[in-house]
Amino acid sequence: AQTVTQSQPEMSVQEAETVTLSCTYDTSENNYYLFWYKQPPSRQMILVIRQEAYKQQNATENRFSVNFQKAAKSFSLKISDSQLGDTAMYFCAFMKGAGGTSYGKLTFGQGTILTVHP
Amino acid sequence: GAVVSQHPSRVICKSGTSVKIECRSLDFQATTMFWYRQFPKQSLMLMATSNEGSKATYEQGVEKDKFLINHASLTLSTLTVTSAHPEDSSFYICSARGPGTDGTQYFGPGTRLTVL
Repeated sequence: AQTVTQSQPEMSVQEAETVTLSCTYDTSENNYYLFWYKQPPSRQMILVIRQEAYKQQNATENRFSVNFQKAAKSFSLKISDSQLGDTAMYFCAFMKGAGGTSYGKLTFGQGTILTVHP
Repeated sequence: GAVVSQHPSRVICKSGTSVKIECRSLDFQATTMFWYRQFPKQSLMLMATSNEGSKATYEQGVEKDKFLINHASLTLSTLTVTSAHPEDSSFYICSARGPGTDGTQYFGPGTRLTVL
């Protein structure tokens, strides 16, 4: 079974600064996907970024980027130029690749509450 | 694109009654949908996987007779909480596997259920 661990229950950052959220995972799979979702106070889950395990290049979406270290099973999220709207709970998630059982099922980490201060 | 709606957003019911929650994929067809439960400031707990035209697959510890799931079309899955009790009060979230090949899930806005 897969496990996802987010060791930072809460983080805070000043507006315009950079913050990194940590995530580690454990799996014996070679084909999988990793995701970061954010859940703002509205509680709507929003996809932030996605990484395919077979891709060595780190995914980037505007101010959001990941540091994917496959051998270390680490998948951290860096938020640059933090904005007040980034205040949310962030979840790291793992999904097995196609062809295996449980394809499509997400395993979530415990979440990190990020607060951006003005 | 890839929008998922959920209805109702909030529901309050009396103990012993049943409540139905709908999850719709608005701009894509979803052969697979998922139902989660979330307690405040906690992670999402997968309850079941809903496949169009077949029986849902429930996670260990989830009572299938209490949480009835129906996925009768490619855009609609429903979760019925039968004979609800106060301990069933929670935030329920659905998601749908998106139209791409990477299995990305898109989430509904959630339903807050309060059982009195």
